[in-house]
Amino acid sequence: AQSVTQLDSHVSVSEGTPVLLRCNYSSSYSPSLFWYVQHPNKGLQLLLKYTSAATLVKGINGFEAEFKKSETSFHLTKPSAHMSDAAEYFCVVDSGNTPLVFGKGTRLSVIA
Amino acid sequence: ETGVTQTPRHLVMGMTNKKSLKCEQHLGHNAMYWYKQSAKKPLELMFVYNFKEQTENNSVPSRFSPECPNSSHLFLHLHTLQPEDSALYLCASSPGTGNTIYFGEGSWLTVV
Repeated sequence: AQSVTQLDSHVSVSEGTPVLLRCNYSSSYSPSLFWYVQHPNKGLQLLLKYTSAATLVKGINGFEAEFKKSETSFHLTKPSAHMSDAAEYFCVVDSGNTPLVFGKGTRLSVIA
Repeated sequence: ETGVTQTPRHLVMGMTNKKSLKCEQHLGHNAMYWYKQSAKKPLELMFVYNFKEQTENNSVPSRFSPECPNSSHLFLHLHTLQPEDSALYLCASSPGTGNTIYFGEGSWLTVV
């Protein structure tokens, strides 16, 4: 069985400070992992994905995530938050033979 | 523009109405999906089609009826819905099942 836990339902940061959104996963197989972002009244947009190549994955808009097998984590980071980063972020795990499993989401607020 | 187009973007319907949501993808993908996103709930997979054949029905009530006439189009027919069916319905596509999924912007449904 596979599962995803997003450890924070809401994260608030000041503009220009680092962002850390935490995600832990559980999977019986070597998974693919994704981060999606959803801005208000929009669909989900792919930020980045890990598919067993480099463990540090770079995505769009300056985001990156590091796959740590020993910690079963795939945390999303960004060095400096922008106001436009305010959105809902979803961590997703795919073990290949079952439908994608989505986390419950983390709402990121950016304070000016 | 994600390559996955959903219409209408907003729909209000009575409980006795019949309406349909439409999804079209311009990405040449073979798999298409319907997801339901309700407030304060994880994203729920409803249906999966692969090469026009339904491969997943996630215990969805029969008042939701999907139709996939070809690999580029997916419909969700709605009949005698309940107020608790009010949600954002997201269509998505992928090259095949198990690949990265690309979402449309969603159709906001309100059942009154």
